[in-house]
Amino acid sequence: DAKTTQPPSMDCAEGRAANLPCNHSTISGNEYVYWYRQIHSQGPQYIIHGLKNNETNEMASLIITEDRKSSTLILPHATLRDTAVYYCIVRVARSDQFYFGTGTSLTVIP
Amino acid sequence: DVKVTQSSRYLVKRTGEKVFLECVQDMDHENMFWYRQDPGLGLRLIYFSYDVKMKEKGDIPEGYSVSREKKERFSLILESASTNQTSMYLCASSLWNYGYTFGSGTRLTVV
Repeated sequence: DAKTTQPPSMDCAEGRAANLPCNHSTISGNEYVYWYRQIHSQGPQYIIHGLKNNETNEMASLIITEDRKSSTLILPHATLRDTAVYYCIVRVARSDQFYFGTGTSLTVIP
Repeated sequence: DVKVTQSSRYLVKRTGEKVFLECVQDMDHENMFWYRQDPGLGLRLIYFSYDVKMKEKGDIPEGYSVSREKKERFSLILESASTNQTSMYLCASSLWNYGYTFGSGTRLTVV
């Protein structure tokens, strides 16, 4: 099962872009990369997912490297409400199980 | 708006009690999951179900059981609660090949 590696914590200035990296060097060709975030005391919230092309939605952009061994979640203009733990997850092939690591705790600083 | 509803936000139970955590989803999802979340350990999968009356063990099933009698409801059961089961419990549901929708969580304290 592909696992992910993320830095434990990051800071970002309010209004700046937050770039959150994730390594998934053992990912298989048919496994998607998902990003979730969890604001304190709430359930995780879906942000975005992708297979090999870059993706963008109203919340964020996802950049996946050509070899698919790593990805970056970009929050283009971070606000204080983006302070949360961000999880990078690879969906297990042939199942619907997500394995969550400990994620990256992002703090947006005024 | 789609929802996963967990019956209790906070729960305090005594050691040895039988505890039921209920989860209901209104999205007609086939798949349902129970995780627990502890500081420094992230989310860990306890049990999951891909269909009514079907259940599979996750990574840490010991001390827990589950019940799925109806598609929309997935119950987590602590047969005899212990203090090391004090945790945040999160329920999620999904359609195949789509992401999870999580509930708000139940913070259980066993005293």
